[in-house]
Amino acid sequence: QQQVKQSPQSLIVQKGGISIINCAYENTAFDYFPWYQQFPGKGPALLIAIRPDVSEKKEGRFTISFNKSAKQFSLHIMDSQPGDSATYFCAASNRGSQGNLIFGKGTKLSVKP
Amino acid sequence: NAGVTQTPKFQVLKTGQSMTLQCAQDMNHNSMYWYRQDPGMGLRLIYYSASEGTTDKGEVPNGYNVSRLNKREFSLRLESAAPSQTSVYFCASSGLSKGTEAFFGQGTRLTVV
Repeated sequence: QQQVKQSPQSLIVQKGGISIINCAYENTAFDYFPWYQQFPGKGPALLIAIRPDVSEKKEGRFTISFNKSAKQFSLHIMDSQPGDSATYFCAASNRGSQGNLIFGKGTKLSVKP
Repeated sequence: NAGVTQTPKFQVLKTGQSMTLQCAQDMNHNSMYWYRQDPGMGLRLIYYSASEGTTDKGEVPNGYNVSRLNKREFSLRLESAAPSQTSVYFCASSGLSKGTEAFFGQGTRLTVV
């Protein structure tokens, strides 16, 4: 079973701090690595995504770092805000073979004011 | 532009009852998916449809059936509901390629008693 392992399960960060969520994958054929954000009572929504030809992608306060050799990628949220409190899911897929997205189990982030 | 619309939003069933969860998307996407979300388990794929007229099993298909009625609609049926099917169900769709950005509905919270 292809897997994406995500850690930690939960994370508490003070306002203004840096939130870091990590994911590791097994299948070297994966070529698309998105992060989804989910607020309570809502469906997940794409936050940011990266392909393995780059090591980092930044969009505003959100950055994905990608380490192809270690088969790991992480989400960094700079200057974390209470409004960032949500559950975050990493995922991976092999677009070349039309593979489906494989999701991690999620990280519940709480940003304390 | 509604995106992905799921009905109903909430449902309580008795063990053994049947029901159909409805999903429609207005983004002209080829691929559609049904996921279930349980605490600590992330998003698990139940069934998917890569294109109109095709359906395939995902990770947890037992106890479910699906119908891709047309390009817009993808329904999930529980023939004989069991308490283990208590979950939040999400429908999603993605564009020309599977394994790329998936757009999620708001979810259906199903309780089987």
